[in-house]
Amino acid sequence: EAQVTQNPRYLITVTGKKLTVTCSQNMNHEYMSWYRQDPGLGLRQIYYSMNVEVTDKGDVPEGYKVSRKEKRNFPLILESPSPNQTSLYFCASTDTSGKREGEQYFGPGTRLTVT
Amino acid sequence: GEDVEQSLFLSVREGDSSVINCTYTDSSSTYLYWYKQEPGAGLQLLTYIFSNMDMKQDQRLTVLLNKKDKHLSLRIADTQTGDSAIYFCAVPSYNQGGKLIFGQGTELSVKP
Repeated sequence: EAQVTQNPRYLITVTGKKLTVTCSQNMNHEYMSWYRQDPGLGLRQIYYSMNVEVTDKGDVPEGYKVSRKEKRNFPLILESPSPNQTSLYFCASTDTSGKREGEQYFGPGTRLTVT
Repeated sequence: GEDVEQSLFLSVREGDSSVINCTYTDSSSTYLYWYKQEPGAGLQLLTYIFSNMDMKQDQRLTVLLNKKDKHLSLRIADTQTGDSAIYFCAVPSYNQGGKLIFGQGTELSVKP
């Protein structure tokens, strides 16, 4: 089954404690991205990756890092989380060679709370 | 810059039609999308329309596209309580291949 998986689904942590949210897709997509969802703001892109070892900042990259060592995995790293990073996070992948430009497949989301 | 705008809330009675509206600034997109997010879940592709179409119908869903006004709408006929969700309009970025620009999301509440 084609899917995007994220772990953990829920995470409560304290300010300053480094954490990683994993993301994996089994569709051999080149393009992957991370979004955060906040009420009234929709989804905002944090980072994206066009391919292995190619990553770039999205619209709200401050406080986040990513890596893309393999095509299927795209982890999101918060080196020193702060309360303003409390949010719902989504990983997504896109078949850029596909028929429909821009269509994205989303993971189930990770709800992060930073106290 | 690229922008997609939606109203935040819509409340309807079960059995009525729902119309969710969206406006966007970029006009180069070939496909425009509607995603649905049910409570506690991720986003699922609901439907899409190709930019050379004015209308697309899929069972209870009708998508209307007015390219001149850069206006997209989603109509749900005979709305059911199971349609209660957040609906996102999304348009491919002109500047970044693969990226979608999302609206704020419209929370649809269906009352019995």
